[in-house]
Formats: sequence, structure tokens, C-alpha cells
Amino acid sequence: AQSVTQLGSHVSVSEGALVLLRCNYSSSVPPYLFWYVQYPNQGLQLLLKYTTGATLVKGINGFEAEFKKSETSFHLTKPSAHMSDAAEYFCAVSSNDYKLSFGAGTTVTVRA
Amino acid sequence: DTAVSQTPKYLVTQMGNDKSIKCEQNLGHDTMYWYKQDSKKFLKIMFSYNNKELIINETVPNRFSPKSPDKAHLNLHINSLELGDSAVYFCASSHLDREETQYFGPGTRLLVL
Repeated sequence: AQSVTQLGSHVSVSEGALVLLRCNYSSSVPPYLFWYVQYPNQGLQLLLKYTTGATLVKGINGFEAEFKKSETSFHLTKPSAHMSDAAEYFCAVSSNDYKLSFGAGTTVTVRA
Repeated sequence: DTAVSQTPKYLVTQMGNDKSIKCEQNLGHDTMYWYKQDSKKFLKIMFSYNNKELIINETVPNRFSPKSPDKAHLNLHINSLELGDSAVYFCASSHLDREETQYFGPGTRLLVL
């Protein structure tokens, strides 16, 4: 079975500061990992994903994530936060029966 | 140019009623999903159909019945609505492969009174 743990249900950063959202996974098969963003009252939008190949993955809006097998982690970062980054962020792992298992989400607030 | 659309966007109804939520995708995907997001924003898969056949059926009350008339549509019918059914329901679609991105609809916010 696959599962995801997101450390920190809420992260508050200053505009221009580093954004770091933590995600650890467990998987019985090579993991395929995803980060999604949900803006208020909207659906989920893919930020980036890791399937195979390069372990540092770049996504939209300046976000990137690094797959570290030894640490079973897939943390999401952005060097400089913008007010528009305020949203809910979900890490997810794809199982071998095609299900996406989501973490509990991390709410990001950005202070001016 | 909407990719995954859902109707209605909001649904307020009384306990005991029967209601349906419709989902359509124009991405040419062969697989569609229903997810439930509870009040704590936790997302959990409910059902998945591939080419009109049920492939994922999580532990969901049998009051919930998905219907897929064709590859582009997956509707969710809920009988005898209960207070605990209040949630946001998301439809998604993808090609059937673990690495494929699932594209989500905007959600249907269901409130049962």
C-alpha cells in the first residue's frame, strides 16, 4: 500500500522568502509522486511530478521538488514566495492499482 | 475549452433526497475518477472507470452509484442523502497509467441540511 505524510499542516512565509513544503512517502513499488495546488474554491492543479529519470523536477510557477529515495522524500520548494502562492498544497503518490493517495495537505499563507 | 467540467457547482439539499452530479471531460482520456474532499480537506478516491468499466471501488456506501454512459462522462448518483455526505466532490480524468497526470474538475460543493 502507498501513503503520503505531509509534515506541517500550515506554513506561513514572508513575501520573497523561501517556501519549503515537506512530503514523505511509503510505497511498495517504485513511487510516482505528484504535487498539486488548490486555490480557494477551485479544483486541483498539477504543479509537478516525478516518474523516472532526473530526481530534481521543475514545475509551474517557479516550484521544484527533489526525489530522494534514501529519505523517501519529495519536498517542494520555491526560492521566493509571492502573494499568489497562498493556497493548499497536496503531495500524492500513485499506486500500482492506479489510485492517487493524497497527503493531508499544507496550507500556505504569505505575509506582505 | 474546459478540460474537466462538473455540474452543478453548488448543491444544497435536504436529508433523504436523491441527487446526481455530472462530469464530462474533453481530453480524450480513457479513465475517470470521483474523489471526496471532506471538511478537513482530506482527499480520498471513491470510484474509477476505464472505458466505461468500473476499476476502482473503494469502501463507499452503496447509496453512491457511479454511472458512465461513455468514456467522456462519469456521473455520480447519491440516494438517501445524509448529513455526512456534505463535502466537495471532485471528478478527474487521465489515461490509464500510474505515471499519468490526473486532471481535476472544479468540484461540486454538496451541503446536506
